[in-house]
Amino acid sequence: GDSVTQMEGPVTLSEEAFLTINCTYTATGYPSLFWYVQYPGEGLQLLLKATKADDKGSNKGFEATYRKETTSFHLEKGSVQVSDSAVYFCALSDQEGGKLIFGQGTELSVKP
Amino acid sequence: NAGVTQTPKFQVLKTGQSMTLQCAQDMNHEYMSWYRQDPGMGLRLIHYSVGAGITDQGEVPNGYNVSRSTTEDFPLRLLSAAPSQTSVYFCASSYSSGGWSAYEQYFGPGTRLTVT
Repeated sequence: GDSVTQMEGPVTLSEEAFLTINCTYTATGYPSLFWYVQYPGEGLQLLLKATKADDKGSNKGFEATYRKETTSFHLEKGSVQVSDSAVYFCALSDQEGGKLIFGQGTELSVKP
Repeated sequence: NAGVTQTPKFQVLKTGQSMTLQCAQDMNHEYMSWYRQDPGMGLRLIHYSVGAGITDQGEVPNGYNVSRSTTEDFPLRLLSAAPSQTSVYFCASSYSSGGWSAYEQYFGPGTRLTVT
């Protein structure tokens, strides 16, 4: 079945460092791909999405490109802030829509 | 819009008790889902619904029941609580933002359940 694999955390960075969180997927068909963010004590919020190959999603300085050839959707940010500390989830929307398959989440901690 | 609301925020149950977690959305979304979040395992789908009167099982449905009598509400029932059901439960609703798989999900704030 479809699956999502993320790099393990926790990831600890200094403020203004470059961030990459790796995400790869296995899917039949042509899923949409998402990054969600969960701040401490809160629910999940959509960070960005891409619906077809070579699409780039971007929001709040974060970017991810849908790479069909490598089945990847890595999350990047050029300069992280303390306020970016959260858990990041990569997910795909399967062929039936409406259902998301999540990776295990990557905890990011940014130190001043 | 209130978005997706969940009640209660916290609940402690004894083994064998039953309860219902409430979920409501005011965005007229057709799709609604229940997930559980456990450390190191991401979110796993329990049950979902593609519209009023239609529900189906997700990855981890055992021990849970759902019904969808209206578009707005999607309650999750724990039939006989077990310690293995200690988790954080999230309800979500979704709509298609373009294309058959481009469903954006909106999550509620979660219910933290402890079963002793």
